Amino acid sequence: AAGVIQSPRHLIKEKRETATLKCYPIPRHDTVYWYQQGPGQDPQFLISFYEKMQSDKGSIPDRFSAQQFSDYHSELNMSSLELGDSALYFCASSARTSGRADDTQYFGPGTRLTVL
Amino acid sequence: AQTVTQSQPEMSVQEAETVTLSCTYDTSESDYYLFWYKQPPSRQMILVIRQEAYKQQNATENRFSVNFQKAAKSFSLKISDSQLGDAAMYFCAYRSAGSNYQLIWGAGTKLIIKP
Repeated sequence: AAGVIQSPRHLIKEKRETATLKCYPIPRHDTVYWYQQGPGQDPQFLISFYEKMQSDKGSIPDRFSAQQFSDYHSELNMSSLELGDSALYFCASSARTSGRADDTQYFGPGTRLTVL
Repeated sequence: AQTVTQSQPEMSVQEAETVTLSCTYDTSESDYYLFWYKQPPSRQMILVIRQEAYKQQNATENRFSVNFQKAAKSFSLKISDSQLGDAAMYFCAYRSAGSNYQLIWGAGTKLIIKP
């Protein structure tokens, strides 16, 4: 079965640089979530999109922005990178249905960002 | 605000034996979902099992089952016939059935399998 695809898998940047992370959801999934997981920590929710509109917003820094495109893929743009941004960034996708919104989130393999 | 607590930072079990991982949560909502995710050393986040709060019956997936106690706000994961491949970090997560769909995570339990 098709899974969530994230690219790149690994990314090394210098402080103050910018980075773009991409996420391709499972086919027919209409919702994308972004999470940040620091070393030895649980994931922290950043932002989500449903049908190309921002749905929920978590602890996403103002330096970060994201969007979901017409083909449902999503990009997380990170500017003025700081050392503390080094983390594993997960994208998850789900298929929201009418009624109970019964959507389980399936995760991609993550993008490991290292800021030097 | 909802919170999820995993009080066991680390657990170990002998291969082929059974182990139970604990999870408690706090919420004022009556309708929600609970999940267990597994994160092996590869750091891929893998769904293990899912429980809907309005269902009385405990979810089961092969060797994995849950003990869902809604009144006690407890959601433990039982792994039977433990295998070496079960070694991983296990996260308990909560999701509202309402308008906010983000997952709220516990701190995780590291499961060690002894051969």
